[in-house]
Amino acid sequence: ELKVEQNPLFLSMQEGKNYTIYCNYSTTSDRLYWYRQDPGKSLESLFVLLSNGAVKQEGRLMASLDTKARLSTLHITAAVHDLSATYFCAVDSGSGGGADGLTFGKGTHLIIQP
Amino acid sequence: GAVVSQHPSWVICKSGTSVKIECRSLDFQATTMFWYRQFPKQSLMLMATSNEGSKATYEQGVEKDKFLINHASLTLSTLTVTSAHPEDSSFYICSAGGTQRGVYEQYFGPGTRLTVT
Repeated sequence: ELKVEQNPLFLSMQEGKNYTIYCNYSTTSDRLYWYRQDPGKSLESLFVLLSNGAVKQEGRLMASLDTKARLSTLHITAAVHDLSATYFCAVDSGSGGGADGLTFGKGTHLIIQP
Repeated sequence: GAVVSQHPSWVICKSGTSVKIECRSLDFQATTMFWYRQFPKQSLMLMATSNEGSKATYEQGVEKDKFLINHASLTLSTLTVTSAHPEDSSFYICSAGGTQRGVYEQYFGPGTRLTVT
């Protein structure tokens, strides 16, 4: 059974600071996703990571994937209040080239204070 | 980008009644759609995988006779919660598999909040 663990589950940080969210998963997978969820809303896709060593950046967010360590990170640079949200990583455990359901981590509730 | 809609966005029903939720891919054809459930302050849990023209595949612990899924076309999947009870109150989110940005990924609908009284 695939397990996806995120940490921390809750993070309160100040604007301007840097921090990293970690996502570990238990079985081999070559497809990892990061999503953002605002309160009462659905998911917003942030990154799709498809191969070992993949690194993607969008604004103040950067995600990376190490398939050998089964670890992905989401790094926040110089945080701003607008980044306050819950962040989920999710793993596609199947061999269907992505056409399988996702297993989600528990989410990281991020609060960025002025 | 790919757009997935859900209807209704929220619904309140009485215990014992049935509720149907629609999930549509608006600008692409999705051979596979997925249904997830999210309880308050929790993560998303996959309920079932819906393939066009065939029976849905349910995750362990999900009652297929209670959560009826129909994927009649490449753009529409429906989830019917039969004989709903208060413990079925949740946020139901569908996703559709498609290829945009050159990568196959899942595109999530806006969700349907179900409250059973």
